[in-house]
Amino acid sequence: DTGVSQNPRHKITKRGQNVTFRCDPISEHNRLYWYRQTLGQGPEFLTYFQNEAQLEKSRLLSDRFSAERPKGSFSTLEIQRTEQGDSAMYLCASSLQQGRTEAFFGQGTRLTVV
Amino acid sequence: GENVEQHPSTLSVQEGDSAVIKCTYSDSASNYFPWYKQELGKGPQLIIDIRSNVGEKKDQRIAVTLNKTAKHFSLHITETQPEDSAVYFCAAIKIVNAGNMLTFGGGTRLMVKP
Repeated sequence: DTGVSQNPRHKITKRGQNVTFRCDPISEHNRLYWYRQTLGQGPEFLTYFQNEAQLEKSRLLSDRFSAERPKGSFSTLEIQRTEQGDSAMYLCASSLQQGRTEAFFGQGTRLTVV
Repeated sequence: GENVEQHPSTLSVQEGDSAVIKCTYSDSASNYFPWYKQELGKGPQLIIDIRSNVGEKKDQRIAVTLNKTAKHFSLHITETQPEDSAVYFCAAIKIVNAGNMLTFGGGTRLMVKP
């Protein structure tokens, strides 16, 4: 399968714990995006990378959220000191920089904070 | 920033009937409008998109129309089938070098009754 891969698919954590999610984009895609989707809503943009550079991070929800893409391939999204309001689906997408602009999404990581 | 409104929030049709979902956007500079289908527990899947230099695009049973003057676009599904049942999201973006930071509508839950 050459699509966007996200791990884990599900994560249950206790309030106050840190969590980290991983995204592996489509191999030739140099742009990678993180979105959050709460129940019954459309995805909400969080941040994006072009290769290893994080070009937009002003929409990360708080300073507890951070993302990295150290070698321009896979990316991680970390949430520190989780709160119940962080419970949501976290989606990763990737696209090419040039030419076709379609963004392809992974299956998402569903986070439940108890 | 961009704001996308989507209607209706739920739509129930009989198998074989047509379904129409409508979206409006606020930023007249937006020039790319994708539609995504999301099945339960999965990430959004791109089904069709349209750019602002085109008024209509069709792919088998699915078509999208765009009215730039009125700032609205619509998804049309003909000859609906039970497997079309899902949540559909419209999105809008101004394509610049800054990447695909999509703004999504709130979603339409389509139910196709056999």
